[in-house]
Amino acid sequence: GAVVSQHPSWVICKSGTSVKIECRSLDFQATTMFWYRQFPKQSLMLMATSNEGSKATYEQGVEKDKFLINHASLTLSTLTVTSAHPEDSSFYICAPRDRVSYEQYFGPGTRLTVT
Amino acid sequence: QKEVEQNSGPLSVPEGAIASLNCTYSDRGSQSFFWYRQYSGKSPELIMSIYSNGDKEDGRFTAQLNKASQYVSLLIRDSQPSDSATYLCAVNTYNTDKLIFGTGTRLQVFP
Repeated sequence: GAVVSQHPSWVICKSGTSVKIECRSLDFQATTMFWYRQFPKQSLMLMATSNEGSKATYEQGVEKDKFLINHASLTLSTLTVTSAHPEDSSFYICAPRDRVSYEQYFGPGTRLTVT
Repeated sequence: QKEVEQNSGPLSVPEGAIASLNCTYSDRGSQSFFWYRQYSGKSPELIMSIYSNGDKEDGRFTAQLNKASQYVSLLIRDSQPSDSATYLCAVNTYNTDKLIFGTGTRLQVFP
């Protein structure tokens, strides 16, 4: 159980373009979704928390207009990186929290490279 | 003081030995405790959760929680080279809706 899919697994885009990352919980429902970013050899950094049907709450220093989060259903959330720049290149990981067990599972991650 | 502290390691143990990973936390209101394993270049994987004082065993893994001393540990018995990874301790408190992660302990199991 506790399967999370994330798509795409890696993406290369040009500076100024937008990238959408999709996250699905395949065998459980998640009322809460967390989005993280991790730079090489660094710790996980929480970007934002979203509850299904509500606006996301962003961590300090994370631009809400740049990182658009939509949590439309109990099994699907998307993160859109708008007007991407090379400094946005990172490993983005979603983490839905099971509404029953309250355990948080991580998706496989999306490696974004902005050229 | 960091909210969740772990020794960064590396912790090196021989194959077949017991690896002991420790984590301390500062918030006495913490209620849920988790251990994640993260291989290099991969996302974290949940391996254990523990909510009450004492030990919880799952296969070769045992999580130990002591709320009075504010520490949680993870024991890995019969360590294998495939256990070599970074182990993240995470804590959830009643007042926050998010996990607080330690910086992780890198474990190296050598043959």
